[in-house]
Amino acid sequence: QSALTQPPSASGSPGQSVTISCTGTSGDVGGYNYVSWYQHHPGKAPKLVIYEVSKRPSGVPDRISGSKSGNTASLTFSGLQAEDEGDYYCGSYAVYNSNWVFGGGTKLTVL
Amino acid sequence: EVQLLESGGGLVQPEGSLRLSCAVFGFTFNNFGVTWVRQAPGKGLEWVSFISSRDGGGTIYADSVKGRFTISRDDSKNTVYLQMNSLRAEDTAVYYCAKVRWNDGRVFENWGQGTLVIVSS
Repeated sequence: QSALTQPPSASGSPGQSVTISCTGTSGDVGGYNYVSWYQHHPGKAPKLVIYEVSKRPSGVPDRISGSKSGNTASLTFSGLQAEDEGDYYCGSYAVYNSNWVFGGGTKLTVL
Repeated sequence: EVQLLESGGGLVQPEGSLRLSCAVFGFTFNNFGVTWVRQAPGKGLEWVSFISSRDGGGTIYADSVKGRFTISRDDSKNTVYLQMNSLRAEDTAVYYCAKVRWNDGRVFENWGQGTLVIVSS
């Protein structure tokens, strides 16, 4: 069982908005801005898409955004595109034990 | 261009040992920490271990591998190693290494494509 909780799947049509949630505790997600999101296609290297809750690395389009409320972080796609398909994992550094934790992953499908 | 290249995976019997390597290119290696993350078949990502930059290379391990795995780094070779002993079937996974940006949210900025470890008799 993963330390952070994500829905196993999410979907939307091109152009729609979709949000993926990630719920942890005050010791990880809720306590600090150490939340990041990764896109992963099987057999390939995972790719960072959001760090420090809401910051985008260079090259990630601004229609992908991150936010946090309490112990739940969210990844939002505004204007879904086919290239957004993949598995998305949230991750957080847990200060209380100096470990990192991940969610179980969400498979995003563009219909 | 930043690249991380894992190697050393393969088939090993239970209770056996294996050493994984992560060779890095395209950044000042001794300025950054490196982590190992694994993905078992059909499962999600699981953090395994971290080694910090310089200053003796402080290390951290997940409880599931503590006492069995050892992470180390050779700055002269721009390489991080993961020595895995007393391997179990549940260690079967693709192992990824990643560059860590400690001051930017403890984030795993760049990843390799992984190396497969299969523990089976």
